[in-house]
Amino acid sequence: EAGVVQSPRYKIIEKKQPVAFWCNPISGHNTLYWYRQNLGQGPELLIRYENEEAVDDSQLPKDRFSAERLKGVDSTLKIQPAELGDSAVYLCASSLGTGRGTNTEAFFGQGTRLTVV
Amino acid sequence: DQQVKQNSPSLSVQEGRISILNCDYTNSMFDYFLWYKKYPAEGPTFLISISSIKDKNEDGRFTVFLNKSAKHLSLHIVPSQPGDSAVYFCAANGGSNYKLTFGKGTLLTVNP
Repeated sequence: EAGVVQSPRYKIIEKKQPVAFWCNPISGHNTLYWYRQNLGQGPELLIRYENEEAVDDSQLPKDRFSAERLKGVDSTLKIQPAELGDSAVYLCASSLGTGRGTNTEAFFGQGTRLTVV
Repeated sequence: DQQVKQNSPSLSVQEGRISILNCDYTNSMFDYFLWYKKYPAEGPTFLISISSIKDKNEDGRFTVFLNKSAKHLSLHIVPSQPGDSAVYFCAANGGSNYKLTFGKGTLLTVNP
């Protein structure tokens, strides 16, 4: 079974430029997450989707970040314009659901390492 | 306000010995706890979990212990192997928000 697939793996952009990340979750997983991991920190949630609905985007900086999950499968995360402080690893994860117990176990992709110069 | 704390940034053990990784939490609403392992340039991989109704869960060489009164959990790896060398993240969720809250991670190095 294929895992969570993310692209690109690495991205270097100049500040003020736009950037987009793509995620394909595990087949059948209704819940999709975007996390950001800064150096030396644990992942922090940016947004969580249940199917195509964003049910928790409280941590998403909405002035420059946007996300979508059309048809409840693939998702894209966009930053426009990027700032130096956006340099981080952006992780996509998926899970069967968000109840209690094993269906909350999130499976992560390899991440996209973004460097803003 | 860090709700999940891993106070040891790193841990070094000898192959064959026990590795004990610790995690503390402050949010009393947390009722499900997970450990993830992360190799360089890869995403975190789920390792083992425990519900708050239990105090121990075992899976092969990995055992997680939960002490609810102390708001503390630990991951035991016995025996430790060089391939276990990685960053280990403790995570928790609970209450009305199902998001996972992660600690900062502990880098485990198992020396041959």
